[in-house]
Parts: sequence; C-alpha cells; structure tokens
Amino acid sequence: GQQVMQIPQYQHVQEGEDFTTYCNSSTTLSNIQWYKQRPGGHPVFLIQLVKSGEVKKQKRLTFQFGEAKKNSSLHITATQTTDVGTYFCAGPGYGGSQGNLIFGKGTKLSVKP
Amino acid sequence: DVKVTQSSRYLVKRTGEKVFLECVQDMDHENMFWYRQDPGLGLRLIYFSYDVKMKEKGDIPEGYSVSREKKERFSLILESASTNQTSMYLCASSLVAEYNEQFFGPGTRLTVL
Repeated sequence: GQQVMQIPQYQHVQEGEDFTTYCNSSTTLSNIQWYKQRPGGHPVFLIQLVKSGEVKKQKRLTFQFGEAKKNSSLHITATQTTDVGTYFCAGPGYGGSQGNLIFGKGTKLSVKP
Repeated sequence: DVKVTQSSRYLVKRTGEKVFLECVQDMDHENMFWYRQDPGLGLRLIYFSYDVKMKEKGDIPEGYSVSREKKERFSLILESASTNQTSMYLCASSLVAEYNEQFFGPGTRLTVL
C-alpha cells in the first residue's frame, strides 16, 4: 500500500546548527503537508506544497517538493531551542479527495543549547 | 480559531472495560479522524468519517469502533479495552477536500491496566 517514509527518525543538533528531514513516497503525491508536534503537544500544521519543484520559506524553515512529486524536505537554518519537537510529513491517503492523510513516522529533533 | 477538544487528557481503565473517547470540533468540518500515536510508529489512522453516520476504516481499526451522530462530534469506542491499546489517542478534523490541513485536538493518554 501507499507509504510515506521519513528519515532520520532522530536528530540531535547543537543550537545554531542546521537540520534537515526528508520524506519519500512510494507514489506520486498531489500535495504534501508538514506538521510540527512540540513535546507534550499535538501536531500543528506548518505548510502545504502542491507544485512540482515548489520551494516555500517560513523564516528559518525551508520546505521543498521534489520535481517528481515523490519526495520533500524540511530544512531549518541555525536551529534554536524553540525548534525542538517532532516534524511529520503527510501525503494524501486512499480516498485522498476526502482529505485523508498518510503520515510519515516523524523526525524527532532535539537541540542542545 | 478552529478548536478541537477531547473529553479527557488522561484516562486509566481496566482490561475488559468499555471505553469512550469523545471529540468535538467547532468549525463545521465534514471530516473527522481518530489516530493513535505510539513511540517510533508515528500517527496511525484508526477510523475516519467524512459525514454524519458515515465511517471508513483506517489502517488499524481492529478492536475499535466509532460513532458520528452529529457533525461536530466523533466518538471512538473500545468495546473491551486491552493492555495493547494503551496509547495516545488524537482526534483531528478538516474540511472535505484533498488539500486541507487537519486540526488536531490535545490528545487523550489512555492507560489500560
């Protein structure tokens, strides 16, 4: 069945270092969404990418959607302790037109001050 | 702001008990979802509903049932709780469309003894 693979599972960085998480799908995606879950919190929507090769920025966060629309990445420049949390990518699931999503397993980011 | 609320943040039940987890959203969303979240396994979809009285099985429906009698309310039922259902349960809602973000509730940490 359709899968969304995300790597790495964990990433430990020193504050100020960069961080990247990668998402790969077994099938072409019509769109991909990214969510962030702070420790003890719930997933919160960050962004959605729709177009092939699309790049979007939110301050220090850069999101990319691959040309083939099968992969995506989230890059954080100069991490801060406020970036700590788990980042999930998600693509449309079966019955995708209904809004169902398949989530990657997430990348848990820890930042050492 | 969209608000998704869940009936309990923490719940402790005994094996064999019937457990009800309730979720309410206030934004007139058609879609509602129940996930469970376990370390290393990410978010796994249990059931979703795209309309009142409509339900669809997700990836792990075994041992669970759902009820959606009103648009704003989506209940997850564990008919006979077992220890392997100890988990974090997250409810989410969204508009019905492929490109819409999901809004999550705060989660219910269920422990089955």
